[in-house]
Amino acid sequence: GAGVSQSPRYKVAKRGQDVALRCDPISGHVSLFWYQQALGQGPEFLTYFQNEAQLDKSGLPSDRFFAERPEGSVSTLKIQRTQQEDSAVYLCASSYLAGGPGELFFGEGSRLTVL
Amino acid sequence: DQQVKQNSPSLSVQEGRISILNCDYTNSMFDYFLWYKKYPAEGPTFLISISSIKDKNEDGRFTVFLNKSAKHLSLHIVPSQPGDSAVYFCARIQGAQKLVFGQGTRLTINP
Repeated sequence: GAGVSQSPRYKVAKRGQDVALRCDPISGHVSLFWYQQALGQGPEFLTYFQNEAQLDKSGLPSDRFFAERPEGSVSTLKIQRTQQEDSAVYLCASSYLAGGPGELFFGEGSRLTVL
Repeated sequence: DQQVKQNSPSLSVQEGRISILNCDYTNSMFDYFLWYKKYPAEGPTFLISISSIKDKNEDGRFTVFLNKSAKHLSLHIVPSQPGDSAVYFCARIQGAQKLVFGQGTRLTINP
């Protein structure tokens, strides 16, 4: 597709369940980012990949959060043993190296609700 | 430590008038700032940016001003149109690639 694609768009999980969120970046985009956006807040950085290498994971809130991009294209954000505070919209973004600094292309997000 | 702060959660402007969205920042060195726009149920989209070596950057109806002494930037939209109604986020680049966003300002353009 033409844009960044995320699935599922909506996910409801019971507390303690594991969830996996998928991101399909724009073809050819080297950089991939995950952000978490809580209600009424701006997006907060979680992690960054360049190709398959995870160069920065400083924003992951706990060791329950794990991200991978094994072939340098599709990425998965996994949250283990979900807690209510994990409820948020998870945004994936990609960019190409020749683009301007910080100019990211965001997907529509995956809204996670933990009951 | 909130590095980028948008103090107005909402702003209402009449169509055709100027909209001014504000953002304050801390810990300034060489910096690069961006504005993103977000419609409901969509991801943010890049709008305009400015490097700290400049004071102003203009793109059509959108102009961003940077006041380094006040550590303040603003986005001006003129004339405002109904399609401009959205949430606007200012952001700065931290390190090589990470964006730090403000809390956002919801802009409503009234006909």
